Parts: sequence; structure tokens; C-alpha cells
Amino acid sequence: AQSVAQPEDQVNVAEGNPLTVKCTYSVSGNPYLFWYVQYPNRGLQFLLKYITGDNLVKGSYGFEAEFNKSQTSFHLKKPSALVSDSALYFCAVRENQAGTALIFGKGTTLSVSS
Amino acid sequence: GAVVSQHPSWVICKSGTSVKIECRSLDFQATTMFWYRQFPKQSLMLMATSNEGSKATYEQGVEKDKFLINHASLTLSTLTVTSAHPEDSSFYICSAGVPGLAGTGELFFGEGSRLTVL
Repeated sequence: AQSVAQPEDQVNVAEGNPLTVKCTYSVSGNPYLFWYVQYPNRGLQFLLKYITGDNLVKGSYGFEAEFNKSQTSFHLKKPSALVSDSALYFCAVRENQAGTALIFGKGTTLSVSS
Repeated sequence: GAVVSQHPSWVICKSGTSVKIECRSLDFQATTMFWYRQFPKQSLMLMATSNEGSKATYEQGVEKDKFLINHASLTLSTLTVTSAHPEDSSFYICSAGVPGLAGTGELFFGEGSRLTVL
């Protein structure tokens, strides 16, 4: 069965500093990996995905993530954090098979201070 | 990108009543839709997989008689919370994948429906 782990409940960074939100996964076969962001009382906004190809994936709002197969990780990064990046971030995995659902990590709250 | 719409976005009801939440794919046909439930500041838990024209597949621990799912057309899936109780209060989110984009793996999410049961 597939699963996702986000080891940090909360990440605190100062504006302008780099940020990393960690994610590790477990899935049989090749994974589809995603990052979503959620603002209070809102649905999910897609940030980026890894399907195949380059291990470094660039997404929306300056975010990027690196797929590391040996470490089964897909950490989310941004070189310079903004206060407006403060939100709840979810890592998700999906098996490489049509008709399967996304399985989400527990989420990490990112707090960027000015 | 593909758009998934949910209605209502927020509903308040009395205990014992039933509430229907609609999930529509606006610009594509979805043979499969997924329903998730989210408690405050927690993750999205997959409740069920909704398949057009057939019975939904429920995750372990989800009461199928409590959460009725109907996927009668390729653009509409409904979740009915029957005889709702305060513990059913939650944020319900649906998602669907675009068949032609199946290789990309991406699912598109509705804005969510917040249910408050008094």
C-alpha cells in the first residue's frame, strides 16, 4: 500500500530565507508525486508534480522539489520565502496506474515571519 | 486547467437531516471521482472512489450507508451524508482526473464543502 510521511508538523522560517518542507513516500512501482498548498477554508492548490524525467521539478510561485529515488524523498524547497507562502502544505503520492486516488501526507504548516 | 466544482461550499444543518454535496467536472468527463474528508488542521483522508455507472468503492472504516455516493453521469458525483450528526461535521473535498491526461497522474480538486451539523 502506498503511504506518505511528512515528519514536520510545522516549519518556521524568516522571510527571505530558504525553506524546505520534507516528504518521504512508499509505493510499489514508480510513483507519481505531488505537492499541494491549502489556505484556510479553501480547497487545494496544485504546486508541482513529478511523473518522470528530471529529478528537479519546478512549479508554481517559485517552488521546486527534488525527487530522490534512493531515499524515497520528494522535499519541497524555495530559495527565498515570502510571508504569503504561509499555509498548509501537503505531499501526495499516487501509483502509476489509472483510476487510483492520491494519498496525502498529514500536512506541514509553513509559517514565514517578516 | 480542468475545473472541478463543488456545491454547496458551506452548509449548516440540524442533527438527523440528510445533506447532499455535488461534485461536477465542468470541462471534462470524469469516469472516476474521489471523495476526501478533512478535519481541521489535518490531512485529507480518502473516503471512497466513485465510478460512473457502478457502485462506489469505500475505504476501510467508512460507512457506505452513512455516506451515499452516486456517480450517475460523467460530469457529476454526489455525496449524501444521511442522518447527519455533529461528528460528521467536516470539510469534504472531491477530485477527478482528466482521462486524456491519465499519464500525467494529476487530479483536480474542488474547492471543498464545509458541513456543520448542529
